Amino acid sequence: AQTVTQSQPEMSVQEAETVTLSCTYDTSESNYYLFWYKQPPSRQMILVIRQEAYKQQNATENRFSVNFQKAAKSFSLKISDSQLGDTAMYFCAYETSGSRLTFGEGTQLTVNP
Amino acid sequence: SAVISQKPSRDICQRGTSLTIQCQVDSQVTMMFWYRQQPGQSLTLIATANQGSEATYESGFVIDKFPISRPNLTFSTLTVSNMSPEDSSIYLCSVEGTSGRRTDTQYFGPGTRLTVL
Repeated sequence: AQTVTQSQPEMSVQEAETVTLSCTYDTSESNYYLFWYKQPPSRQMILVIRQEAYKQQNATENRFSVNFQKAAKSFSLKISDSQLGDTAMYFCAYETSGSRLTFGEGTQLTVNP
Repeated sequence: SAVISQKPSRDICQRGTSLTIQCQVDSQVTMMFWYRQQPGQSLTLIATANQGSEATYESGFVIDKFPISRPNLTFSTLTVSNMSPEDSSIYLCSVEGTSGRRTDTQYFGPGTRLTVL
C-alpha cells in the first residue's frame, strides 16, 4: 500500500522568507501524481501544486515550487516570499489508481510578521 | 475549477441519529469522492461515489454505516448512520474531471463539521 510521510508536524517562518516542507512517499508504481494541498483555519482544502511523476521538470506555481526526486521518492514544497496568508496546514498527497488520494499527516506552517 | 458546495456546513447531532450531507457541483464532473477528517488528523477516503451504481468503499468503511448516493453527475449525498461521538469529524466531498474528461486533480468542497454528543 502507498504511504505518505511528512516528518515535520510544525514549522514557522518569518514573513518574506523562504521555507521548505518535506514529504516522502512509498510506492511501487511508475506513473502517478503528487499534490500539495493547504488547509487554512477555514478548513477548506485548497490545491497548491501538482506534479506528474513522468515529468522530470519540477512544477512551479508563482511563489510555490517543488523539488521532486523520483528515485528518492521525495516531494518537497518550497514557499518563497512567505506571506501571512500562507499560514495553514499543508498536506502532501499521492494519487493512486482510480484517482484515490492518500494524504500525509500534515505540516502546520505559521508565518510570523 | 468547478464550484463545490456542501450542506450543512456544520451540525450537532445526538448519538443514535443519522445525518445526510449533500455535495453539489456547478458543472458535471467525472468522479466524486467522500473523505473524513477526524479531529487533528489527516484526510481518509471513505468511498468513491459512482453515478448510477453502488459506491466503492475503502477498507474500514461499510455501506450500512455510510450510505452514499450519486443520482447524477453534479450531486452526491453521504449519510452518517447511527452516529456515535467517534463520528465527530469534518466530512469533505471532492470532485475530479469535468465535461467527461479525466483531469487527475481533485478539488474539495468546503466541508461539513459534524459533532456528535
